[in-house]
Amino acid sequence: DAKTTQPPSMDCAEGRAANLPCNHSTISGNEYVYWYRQIHSQGPQYIIHGLKNNETNEMASLIITEDRKSSTLILPHATLRDTAVYYCIVRVGLNTGTASKLTFGTGTRLQVTL
Amino acid sequence: DAGVIQSPRHEVTEMGQEVTLRCKPISGHDYLFWYRQTMMRGLELLIYFNNNVPIDDSGMPEDRFSAKMPNASFSTLKIQPSEPRDSAVYFCASSPTDQPQHFGDGTRLSIL
Repeated sequence: DAKTTQPPSMDCAEGRAANLPCNHSTISGNEYVYWYRQIHSQGPQYIIHGLKNNETNEMASLIITEDRKSSTLILPHATLRDTAVYYCIVRVGLNTGTASKLTFGTGTRLQVTL
Repeated sequence: DAGVIQSPRHEVTEMGQEVTLRCKPISGHDYLFWYRQTMMRGLELLIYFNNNVPIDDSGMPEDRFSAKMPNASFSTLKIQPSEPRDSAVYFCASSPTDQPQHFGDGTRLSIL
């Protein structure tokens, strides 16, 4: 699976959009971008994933550049409860008939402040 | 819906003792994963099962670690004998085929 690079930490004011970047310049054509987050003392939580089109769900939006070498996770209105470590993971995706082996890096520690 | 359930939430024991961690996956999920998280090494995959069969145990650190899945609703991770360097948070996760994984809240293990 392709390696990802994320900033170690970011701050965001409550109510503002949090934009978390991820570089994955060696991504292959069949690899998806996944985002998980881990709130203190909890297990990782799935947020969103995508292949090449932008995706949106009730939690966040995922913007993937046209060359797929980077992506941005957007939390449109961050709250204090969004304070967590956010992991960007690239892996071979769906319809492979095999389980997803997730390789977690160090992630971005997002601190949402008042 | 009930999520992945792990027990115990916390375990403190002395070096040399046997430790058993338990996991109940989400009903209908055919994949089960065991991870370990430490400050030094982050979150690492130890082993995963498909339909109760171990598929990849390359992440298991050594023979002191063993994992079983006797049925679709239960799995154990056992450490015997335990050592202080095994202290970590152990997570269990489950997923349907080709779908995102759902994690439990982990077992915080301290070996004295």
